[in-house]
Amino acid sequence: ETGVTQSPTHLIKTRGQQVTLRCSSQSGHNTVSWYQQALGQGPQFIFQYYREEENGRGNFPPRFSGLQFPNYSSELNVNALELDDSALYLCASMPGSRQENNYGYTFGSGTRLTVV
Amino acid sequence: RKEVEQDPGPFNVPEGATVAFNCTYSNSASQSFFWYRQDCRKEPKLLMSVYSSGNEDGRFTAQLNRASQYISLLIRDSKLSDSATYLCVVPNAGKSTFGDGTTLTVKP
Repeated sequence: ETGVTQSPTHLIKTRGQQVTLRCSSQSGHNTVSWYQQALGQGPQFIFQYYREEENGRGNFPPRFSGLQFPNYSSELNVNALELDDSALYLCASMPGSRQENNYGYTFGSGTRLTVV
Repeated sequence: RKEVEQDPGPFNVPEGATVAFNCTYSNSASQSFFWYRQDCRKEPKLLMSVYSSGNEDGRFTAQLNRASQYISLLIRDSKLSDSATYLCVVPNAGKSTFGDGTTLTVKP
């Protein structure tokens, strides 16, 4: 059983650029969530996809967008990068549509994005 | 007030000690809760779920107090390998809110 894989592992971008981060969910998991984790803070919920539809969103501006594909892999796109977007971006997958159903997340190892 | 609050610590304890962390949450509609462990510069990993009064797994015990809206994590007989940041997670309506974590350092 393969876990959650993310690419790339590290990325440096310039302010104003756009970035796409990728995630392959764990086998059998149809829900993918994206989180942003700044240094010294807990992960902040960006959004969640279940069977290719967004079914939850946190307090992030519209320049943060995503997709989920039929194979349940996912992309996170960030436009017009700002310095404050520098963080670890974590992808997490789980079976079922809601963590309230007692399914825990399996996290990928993250993409560390630096905006200069 | 944050939706999920944790004492950031750090908690510095000797091997063999018992240590407890608390996490308070504001959304009374939440039904289940989770504790994750995160090692430095690594991804969070699920430690325990809590969806009734409590849950026990070896040296780890998680308890839920709905009336006071907090969950706790108790670690008995601490090991050096328990050193990590412990994150409390409160899911609700398709969104999961993480606390900022409590850092534990277990010393020889």
